[in-house]
Amino acid sequence: GQQVMQIPQYQHVQEGEDFTTYCNSSTTLSNIQWYKQRPGGHPVFLIQLVKSGEVKKQKRLTFQFGEAKKNSSLHITATQTTDVGTYFCAGRVNTNAGKSTFGDGTTLTVKP
Amino acid sequence: NAGVMQNPRHLVRRRGQEARLRCSPMKGHSHVYWYRQLPEEGLKFMVYLQKENIIDESGMPKERFSAEFPKEGPSILRIQQVVRGDSAAYFCASSPRSTGGAEGEKLFFGSGTQLSVL
Repeated sequence: GQQVMQIPQYQHVQEGEDFTTYCNSSTTLSNIQWYKQRPGGHPVFLIQLVKSGEVKKQKRLTFQFGEAKKNSSLHITATQTTDVGTYFCAGRVNTNAGKSTFGDGTTLTVKP
Repeated sequence: NAGVMQNPRHLVRRRGQEARLRCSPMKGHSHVYWYRQLPEEGLKFMVYLQKENIIDESGMPKERFSAEFPKEGPSILRIQQVVRGDSAAYFCASSPRSTGGAEGEKLFFGSGTQLSVL
């Protein structure tokens, strides 16, 4: 079945440093979504990427979708303590609904 | 517009008892998904339902687990004869009727039910 792998599992950074998490799928995806889960909270939708090679930005966050639509990355510039949490990618094979397969997430801690 | 509502937030059961977890999707959403999360792990897909239909239950154990999304009322995830290994956070998510495109496929998560089996 479809597998979505994320690395690293944990990342500890000093406030102001950059952070990147990578997501790789065993199959070609129709789209990929990113979610953030704060400690003790629930996942919250951040963004969806659909097109091959797509790049989207949200303030300090940059999301990329690979040319082959099998990998993606999330990059945070100049991390802040409010960025702490676990970032999940979720891949979907079929565009017409259907389940999203989540990666195991990257947990980011930021030292002030 | 209320978000996805899950209850109870915390549920304690003894081994062998039944657990019933409820999820009311956002207004206007007809797709419901259940995910399970163990501590410091990812979200594991269990089941995807639309009103009165199970679309994909490939992630749900064949025994003891069942799910429904009736025409009226919330979606229910039911675990019979719970065991300690069932202890986890169970998240429900909903999405609007799928028309393709980002808005139709965005998942809105509830706050989850933390199930503890003694």
